[in-house]
Amino acid sequence: DTGVSQDPRHKITKRGQNVTFRCDPISEHNRLYWYRQTLGQGPEFLTYFQNEAQLEKSRLLSDRFSAERPKGSFSTLEIQRTEQGDSAMYLCASSLRNRDLNFRRVGETQYFGPGTRLLVL
Amino acid sequence: DQQVKQNSPSLSVQEGRISILNCDYTNSMFDYFLWYKKYPAEGPTFLISISSIKDKNEDGRFTVFLNKSAKHLSLHIVPSQPGDSAVYFCAARRTTDSWGKLQFGAGTQVVVTP
Repeated sequence: DTGVSQDPRHKITKRGQNVTFRCDPISEHNRLYWYRQTLGQGPEFLTYFQNEAQLEKSRLLSDRFSAERPKGSFSTLEIQRTEQGDSAMYLCASSLRNRDLNFRRVGETQYFGPGTRLLVL
Repeated sequence: DQQVKQNSPSLSVQEGRISILNCDYTNSMFDYFLWYKKYPAEGPTFLISISSIKDKNEDGRFTVFLNKSAKHLSLHIVPSQPGDSAVYFCAARRTTDSWGKLQFGAGTQVVVTP
């Protein structure tokens, strides 16, 4: 399977504990995104990496959230001191930065993993 | 600030008929639009996309129409099949964004009945 993978698929934790999720993108993709989805809503953007550089993190929900992509391959999302409001589906997506022959950006398709469902008790 | 809206939370259609899903957006800077399909307990699966330089894109049973002046796009599925029962998300982005953040609508639950 060469798609985006996420681990674990489910996580139940107690309030105040730290949790870490892993995402393995499609191998040749250089862009990686984290989203959060709550019930009845579409995915909400959290942060983005191009290779190992985290180029946008202002949408991370609080300073309890952090993400890394140390070698430009897999990424981790950590939530410290979890709260019940953190319960959600956490989705990872990857894409390939793409330009046409005139070096203009062209539309990129983001491919999503299966998500990690977090429940904070 | 919900810039992408799917105003129909659900749609029921008979097998073999056409499904029409609608999506409206408010940001005129969006220039690339995508539809994703999501089954329960799975991540969204890419279906079809359209650039703002086009008004129609077709892929098999799926056709997306874009009306830029109305800031409206629609997804047509014909004929609808039972396996099409899922939640469909409309998403939009500005290609000029260096980092391609997608903004999603809240989704439309499609149920295809026999």
